[in-house]
Amino acid sequence: DGGITQSPKYLFRKEGQNVTLSCEQNLNHDAMYWYRQDPGQGLRLIYYSQIVNDFQKGDIAEGYSVSREKKESFPLTVTSAQKNPTAFYLCASRDRGYSSPLHFGNGTRLTVT
Amino acid sequence: ILNVEQSPQSLHVQEGDSTNFTCSFPSSNFYALHWYRWETAKSPEALFVMTLNGDEKKKGRISATLNTKEGYSYLYIKGSQPEDSATYLCAFYSGGGADGLTFGKGTHLIIQP
Repeated sequence: DGGITQSPKYLFRKEGQNVTLSCEQNLNHDAMYWYRQDPGQGLRLIYYSQIVNDFQKGDIAEGYSVSREKKESFPLTVTSAQKNPTAFYLCASRDRGYSSPLHFGNGTRLTVT
Repeated sequence: ILNVEQSPQSLHVQEGDSTNFTCSFPSSNFYALHWYRWETAKSPEALFVMTLNGDEKKKGRISATLNTKEGYSYLYIKGSQPEDSATYLCAFYSGGGADGLTFGKGTHLIIQP
């Protein structure tokens, strides 16, 4: 079955360490996205990529980095510069075009202490 | 950052009753309005993507309407069932070169048997 796989489901890190969240899709979608959810907030866009080797900052990109070396993969690195990294992170993909819905992974809950 | 408002924030409904909730969005630069259902421990799932003023879409007992001129969409659930318990998210796409959607904070629906 086609879908989006995020790993790991739970991740614990010490403050000051970089951490990379994995996102893989086999839906053959061009566009991929990273969102962050915090309690009481809507999903906020961190980064998105419309095509391989290209990506754009979203609304809250500071302290994050991404790469898009393969169509199937869009890993997110949470760097030590991110001031409040503890959150739930969702990866999504879709066909290009504003009328195409997002397909989401199951998310990664990151806790930094 | 665009403002997408959903109301109410949470809602308790008796099984069998019908209910509805609202998504408000900017009425300018409209491209699309998405609705997603997010059940606990699952990934968000697309319900509808609406692009034209006056659009009405239906999936089983769930339907949605769209008014782009005044900037709102309603989601209706007829004869609520326990499996309808979820958070319902709307997301607005305004084009303008950015490919991300702006999400509301969601309406958390609880169906009481």
